[in-house]
Amino acid sequence: SQTIHQWPATLVQPVGSPLSLECTVEGTSNPNLYWYRQAAGRGLQLLFYSVGIGQISSEVPQNLSASRPQDRQFILSSKKLLLSDSGFYLCAWRLDRGWNEQFFGPGTRLTVL
Amino acid sequence: DQQVKQNSPSLSVQEGRISILNCDYTNSMFDYFLWYKKYPAEGPTFLISISSIKDKNEDGRFTVFLNKSAKHLSLHIVPSQPGDSAVYFCAATRSGAGSYQLTFGKGTKLSVIP
Repeated sequence: SQTIHQWPATLVQPVGSPLSLECTVEGTSNPNLYWYRQAAGRGLQLLFYSVGIGQISSEVPQNLSASRPQDRQFILSSKKLLLSDSGFYLCAWRLDRGWNEQFFGPGTRLTVL
Repeated sequence: DQQVKQNSPSLSVQEGRISILNCDYTNSMFDYFLWYKKYPAEGPTFLISISSIKDKNEDGRFTVFLNKSAKHLSLHIVPSQPGDSAVYFCAATRSGAGSYQLTFGKGTKLSVIP
């Protein structure tokens, strides 16, 4: 069966510090991978998606970036965090074979102070 | 422009009764719809989905209804249980659009009262 991992679970960072959140998927190959953010009181906003290694598409202009160095690894980064980057970050995967359902990881709660 | 709308931010239902969560969409290109359940500090869990070729899909206590002409879908939970208390997100996508991106509503917080 497939599993998705995210770490860290929680993170408190000062404004201006860098960020690296990691997501890995097990039990499948060539998944589509997604980064979402849920800000307080809001829905899920798609930030990035990837259909393969090294292929990243950005949905929202921001100071975040994403990378996919391996088939089942997806990384969300920032060089300098802003207060507005606080939120709950979710990684999701989807089978690259016609299924529409996406399956989410446990999330990372990021607080920027 | 919010393409998927959940107009009720919260809903309270007595245990054993029916919970009805509603969702509206504006993009006529959407052809596949999903419901997710989310507990605090956890990732959303996939519940049930429906293709636009159907108007109903049932899975145990959960039934999703789709009214394409009204661009409206609803999730029925019968009977409601205290463990169903969570935030429910409606999502929509356009099949074959490459990345299969999901567009989410803002969620409805369901509280099932024992």
